Amino acid sequence: QLQLQESGPGLVKPSETLSLTCTVSGGSISSSSYYWGWIRQPPGKGLEWIGSIYYSGSTYYNPSLKSRVTISVDTSKNQFSLKLSSVTAADTAVYYCARRTGGIAAAGYYYYYMDVWGKGTTVTVSS
Amino acid sequence: SYVLTQPPSVSVAPGKTARITCGGNNIGSKSVHWYQQKPGQAPVLVIYYDSDRPSGIPERFSGSNSGNTATLTISRVEAGDEADYYCQVWDSSSDHPYVVFGGGTKLTVL
Repeated sequence: QLQLQESGPGLVKPSETLSLTCTVSGGSISSSSYYWGWIRQPPGKGLEWIGSIYYSGSTYYNPSLKSRVTISVDTSKNQFSLKLSSVTAADTAVYYCARRTGGIAAAGYYYYYMDVWGKGTTVTVSS
Repeated sequence: SYVLTQPPSVSVAPGKTARITCGGNNIGSKSVHWYQQKPGQAPVLVIYYDSDRPSGIPERFSGSNSGNTATLTISRVEAGDEADYYCQVWDSSSDHPYVVFGGGTKLTVL
């Protein structure tokens, strides 16, 4: 079955760039039905959506993080990646990758949700 | 930006019914999805499109959505249902649509 696995450094220095990769196994990242995204959770706090990417490279970002976030995709490796620049202690969190799916409601609008999640990876920002 | 409001905590005795609310402006016009997160684990989808259950989720979990409130209902609550629950919508009201999560509700089974 589909599995997602996050990887990357667990410790990043303030002002540097956080870089994580999500490897997709058991399915193709190039499926036309899905976007692939990142969500984070600071210690003891709730979930925060970071952004999503389609296999073609089309992206959606959280407006509050957009200036610092870049999400990219490598279909040859079945991977997608997150870069978050100029990090501070506030970026310390568990970072999850997830598959975004959805549909069209009876009223005609689109809806989206995350149906498969990675286990998450902890990133600490500290000098 | 669109805001989803959840109560920080809900407590319920085993075997009883738990109701967790998610408030938002005219949320009934959006589709609401719910996730369960146990300590140290990734979130798990328990309800999507207001009231549909993914395969493997017990029928005890149900959802509704109308007006300004969506509700996750857990019937015959078990100790294993103790977890944090998050509601989520897709906000497409602006030029930059995005995913919105509620602040989460901790369900305690007494």
